Amino acid sequence: GAGVSQSPRYKVAKRGQDVALRCDPISGHVSLFWYQQALGQGPEFLTYFQNEAQLDKSGLPSDRFFAERPEGSVSTLKIQRTQQEDSAVYLCASSWRGTGVNQPQHFGDGTRLSIL
Amino acid sequence: QQPVQSPQAVILREGEDAVINCSSSKALYSVHWYRQKHGEAPVFLMILLKGGEQKGHEKISASFNEKKQQSSLYLTASQLSYSGTYFCGTERRNGGATNKLIFGTGTLLAVQP
Repeated sequence: GAGVSQSPRYKVAKRGQDVALRCDPISGHVSLFWYQQALGQGPEFLTYFQNEAQLDKSGLPSDRFFAERPEGSVSTLKIQRTQQEDSAVYLCASSWRGTGVNQPQHFGDGTRLSIL
Repeated sequence: QQPVQSPQAVILREGEDAVINCSSSKALYSVHWYRQKHGEAPVFLMILLKGGEQKGHEKISASFNEKKQQSSLYLTASQLSYSGTYFCGTERRNGGATNKLIFGTGTLLAVQP
């Protein structure tokens, strides 16, 4: 597709369940970012990939959060043993140049995660 | 650590102008501006790379003062389609550039007919 695609669009899970969120970046984009956006707030950085390498995971809030991009294209953000504070919109963004620096980031529509 | 934007919210009539400011306490490498409508993805507007640089996009322009660690977004002759929340995103100097964006507090802009 032409843009960044995320699925599912909405996810409801019970506290304690594991969830997996998928991001399909723009074809050819080397850099991929995950952000978490709470209601009424700006996106907060979670992690960054350059191709399949995870170069920065400093924003992941706990070891329950795990991200991968095994073939350098599609990425999955997994949250284990979900907690209510994990409820948020999870945004994926991609940019084409290798370093990701000084490049526009193209965002997907996000996955709205609600933990009951 | 998060850049501070001002104002927090602004209401305009169509055709009026607005300025949104973004201020960082840390040294900046570059500034990105995005607009996000409710329930949608943030949309890239422009990026500013150098101190004092100004860029334009239709009737939206921006400036970046590296010394003051500030950027401003200028919206002229606003249209209904300009409504949304505007975020600045900053890349900070760390002995080089960082890859991640630190987003500001956001400015809600509502343009009324």
